[in-house]
Amino acid sequence: DAGITQSPRHKVTETGTPVTLRCHQTENHRYMYWYRQDPGHGLRLIHYSYGVKDTDKGEVSDGYSVSRSKTEDFLLTLESATSSQTSVYFCAISEAGGSGASNGETQYFGPGTRLLVL
Amino acid sequence: AQTVTQSQPEMSVQEAETVTLSCTYDTSESNYYLFWYKQPPSRQMILVIRQEAYKQQNATENRFSVNFQKAAKSFSLKISDSQLGDTAMYFCAFMKGDTDKLIFGTGTRLQVFP
Repeated sequence: DAGITQSPRHKVTETGTPVTLRCHQTENHRYMYWYRQDPGHGLRLIHYSYGVKDTDKGEVSDGYSVSRSKTEDFLLTLESATSSQTSVYFCAISEAGGSGASNGETQYFGPGTRLLVL
Repeated sequence: AQTVTQSQPEMSVQEAETVTLSCTYDTSESNYYLFWYKQPPSRQMILVIRQEAYKQQNATENRFSVNFQKAAKSFSLKISDSQLGDTAMYFCAFMKGDTDKLIFGTGTRLQVFP
């Protein structure tokens, strides 16, 4: 199994509070991703990173920010949590991004974080 | 924009039988990749199989194989000799060749009965 951990694994918070989720990898992979999983939607990409301090938006980035100050850590922040952000959040990593064009590298997923915003 | 459709929300199969899960996708690209992921009750996302669009040969991994029909934009997953441990949600996913972003279908819940 790819060395990916997420913390916390479960969190309950109140509307309007800031929340930070952490993804940590031990594989030294360049690319990291944050997805959310909701019933009827599958997984949707929130943000991704292609290197330290290099990030970009995904499909559902509104209300989220990310930071990557070290290769091994990718943080997802909800600046002011809303009930619509209640979801299961997955981090993923891949070896993508060698010299430009994608080679369709497989993404390996962390165990997920279940977030409930009351 | 690319879309992935899994038209079977739920399926069931008896142990040792064969089951096929459907997936269709919509794209105008010629270079892309397709994936099947399994999500058991533990919620962990596990890669089942990967297919490169430029390869005509269907990918296989032990009891799992795909029927990749590029012209029809179809990518079905066949599970042979089903086992109780195959009970899970199965997600089909698409990746355009010049990106590293996965687009997922909504999933098919598979129940394997003894």
